[in-house]
Amino acid sequence: ELKVEQNPLFLSMQEGKNYTIYCNYSTTSDRLYWYRQDPGKSLESLFVLLSNGAVKQEGRLMASLDTKARLSTLHITAAVHDLSATYFCAVDGMWGSQGNLIFGKGTKLSVKP
Amino acid sequence: DTAVSQTPKYLVTQMGNDKSIKCEQNLGHDTMYWYKQDSKKFLKIMFSYNNKELIINETVPNRFSPKSPDKAHLNLHINSLELGDSAVYFCASSQVTSGFSYNEQFFGPGTRLTVL
Repeated sequence: ELKVEQNPLFLSMQEGKNYTIYCNYSTTSDRLYWYRQDPGKSLESLFVLLSNGAVKQEGRLMASLDTKARLSTLHITAAVHDLSATYFCAVDGMWGSQGNLIFGKGTKLSVKP
Repeated sequence: DTAVSQTPKYLVTQMGNDKSIKCEQNLGHDTMYWYKQDSKKFLKIMFSYNNKELIINETVPNRFSPKSPDKAHLNLHINSLELGDSAVYFCASSQVTSGFSYNEQFFGPGTRLTVL
């Protein structure tokens, strides 16, 4: 069974601090996706990581992929309140790039002043 | 010019009723999906259609019946609604042919279904 595990599931941070969200997965996929969901809203694609060692950055968020360790990280630098949301990682399901995504349970991030 | 749209946004109904949710995408994608997000925010695939053809049908009660009249539309009809069907249903789309090597999916705004 394909599994995607995120930790932590809940994260309360102070503004200005750094932290990392971890995503472990059980497939041999070399692709990994990060999404953001604001309360009551849709899922917004943040990053698509396509190979081992891939690193992508946008603003205060940086995502990386280690396919050998089956691990992706989402690093938050100098957090601000606007980053408060739930972050999901996902991998391709059993149909590979032609099928569904398998999502982690999400990490609910709350950034406090 | 919303990329993936769903109607309705909210749906409140009684147990036993039949209801439909509609989804449209204007991204020109060839594949569309229905996901269910439960109260704990867990997202799970229900169905997937590629060019109007059903390609994924997860273990979902047969009270749920998807229908794709064309590759830009994917509807979900639910018969005999039960309390446990209460959730947020998301439609998504992606382009999985024409040489794409990854499956970035774009999600609609969701339909919050409440069964009383």
